[in-house]
Amino acid sequence: DSGVTQTPKHLITATGQRVTLRCSPRSGDLSVYWYQQSLDQGLQFLIQYYNGEERAKGNILERFSAQQFPDLHSELNLSSLELGDSALYFCASSVGDRGYGYTFGSGTRLTVV
Amino acid sequence: EDKVVQSPLSLVVHEGDTVTLNCSYEVTNFRSLLWYKQEKKAPTFLFMLTSSGIEKKSGRLSSILDKKELFSILNITATQTGDSAVYLCAVSLIQGAQKLVFGQGTRLTINP
Repeated sequence: DSGVTQTPKHLITATGQRVTLRCSPRSGDLSVYWYQQSLDQGLQFLIQYYNGEERAKGNILERFSAQQFPDLHSELNLSSLELGDSALYFCASSVGDRGYGYTFGSGTRLTVV
Repeated sequence: EDKVVQSPLSLVVHEGDTVTLNCSYEVTNFRSLLWYKQEKKAPTFLFMLTSSGIEKKSGRLSSILDKKELFSILNITATQTGDSAVYLCAVSLIQGAQKLVFGQGTRLTINP
């Protein structure tokens, strides 16, 4: 157990729907990062939050949004889902905001049908 | 655009063999290079390299970075079936997005 908790582990939903993925960072970590891992691509950075504020943005689609709450857990919202959004979504956390000491969660496997 | 390229993409060897995995990068504002092992789900951290020529070692695994030629290698000696996994190389940047730029990964299969 890495200490980073992601729920749910698996999610199957239909095109056009909206889902929310949840991440609880390791105790003491202030940064949360979201990554998408598709079959044909490596891990792609989506977005980072540090202590409740958005710190960095990657190739995150406009249909996707995220936030980090006062208790430091984070949610990634995916809307108007398309088949191509099917992927593993990883959350990682670190103490600071500089990307050192990443710890990854086990991921949420999203299948859009 | 920042890029990390790993080779080979796939490798199948026999138990006991030695393997070398490659990672080259083209990024701005390089800070460090990291290696991860991904088995079923979450990538797990192996090494972080920041300085050229200094080998990091952990058991049968070792890694080295060449900042002049912009590449790193990960060596695994006396491979075991438990080494079967996807090995990911990632680069951390100094400025801008505090993200890791990942390569495609090398899928290593160790046959008994």
